[in-house]
Parts: sequence; structure tokens; C-alpha cells
Amino acid sequence: EIVMTQSPATLSVSPGERATLSCRASQNINNNLAWYQQIPGQAPRLLINGASTRATGIPARFSGSGSGTEFTLTISSLQSEDFAFYYCQQYSNWPPLTFGGGTKVEIK
Amino acid sequence: QVQLQESGPGLVKPSETLSLTCTVSGGSMSSYYWSWIRQPPGKGLEWIGYIYYSGSTNYNSSLRSRVSISVDNSKNQFSLKLNSVTAADTAVYYCASLYGSFDHWGQGTLVTVSS
Repeated sequence: EIVMTQSPATLSVSPGERATLSCRASQNINNNLAWYQQIPGQAPRLLINGASTRATGIPARFSGSGSGTEFTLTISSLQSEDFAFYYCQQYSNWPPLTFGGGTKVEIK
Repeated sequence: QVQLQESGPGLVKPSETLSLTCTVSGGSMSSYYWSWIRQPPGKGLEWIGYIYYSGSTNYNSSLRSRVSISVDNSKNQFSLKLNSVTAADTAVYYCASLYGSFDHWGQGTLVTVSS
């Protein structure tokens, strides 16, 4: 099973600043990685798949990068609606499909 | 646009069977795999299993002995059964379309296991 590790667990950022979230895979997953945003009380929403392709309707301030075992989600200028939980998920070697433990982006 | 909606009891007694149904609209059942994911209160996401419209399935090994997913293409629905539940199965259960990534999600339904 591929283990996904996200860091940090909590990221405190001021509105308008850049946020950088990390996700590491326990083995090479090429670019088979997705990122999700979850606002408390809501279902997760797909932000990015293929490590760097934004899903339909996702603003350009969200960008993904990386390949192999190291991945990054960057939010270029945080808006109020971006304060949420973010999860990465691998789909390189499935089943099982596995998620990272999540990063909470909170207002500084 | 694919839309999904979970339905089923919000309260299940310990040792009984949790049963949920997901109704799909706006898309063909043959376009995706269909999956269940759960999230215990205050915790992260756990993939439960998936089914294809043909009926082929795969499950998380941690739940395989207790879980079953079925599909009814005529009703555009797929269903989850989890037997012998305990308090540890209390969670929000989501259904989702799966094409590598989980592209579309239902709103989720909280299932509490309690006597």
C-alpha cells in the first residue's frame, strides 16, 4: 500500500499571502496525484489531478507541481474562501486508493 | 454535470448492517467507477471500495470481510452494505465517481453507530 504523508498538519497564513502545501508518497507514483479541498461541513472538492491539471472551474491561483514522490499544492494569494482542509490522494497503484492525512489552512 | 446523492438510515445499532444507496444523475453509469469513501468525525478520508457498471468490485483490505457494494444500472444507483458495525464505523459516508481521482462527490451522510 502506498502511504501518503502531508505536511504541515496546520498552516497559518494571512489573506493575500501564498500558501505552499506538501505531499509525499512512500513510493514513485509518477504524476498520478490529486488534490482536494474540503470546507468543514461540506464534501471534498477535486482541485487538481494529474499532479498539475486544474479541475473544471478551479481558479488559477491554485497550482500543483511535482512528480515521483514529492508534490506541492500552491495557493498564490489566499482568499477568505480558501481557508479549509486540503487532502492529496494517489491513484498510481490501486487498489487501494489512499489519501494523505490532510493539511488545515487557517487564518493567521 | 454528474450529481450524486446518498440516502439511508442515519442511526445503526452495533452489530447490525449499515446500508446506504447513492443515486447518480447527469451521467452514464458506464463512464466511471463508483466509489464509497468515509470520514470519521474530525478525521481524514478513507476509501471503502468501488464498483464498475459491470458489477466488478474492489474493496479496502481493512474492510473487505464486512463490506459489499452493488450496482443497479436500471435505477442509476449503487449501494453499500457494511455488516457487524461498531462505534468505530461512525462517520460521514460519501459516494463519488472515480476515474483515478474522485471527480464528483455526493454531499455525504452521517451514520452514527449507537444503541
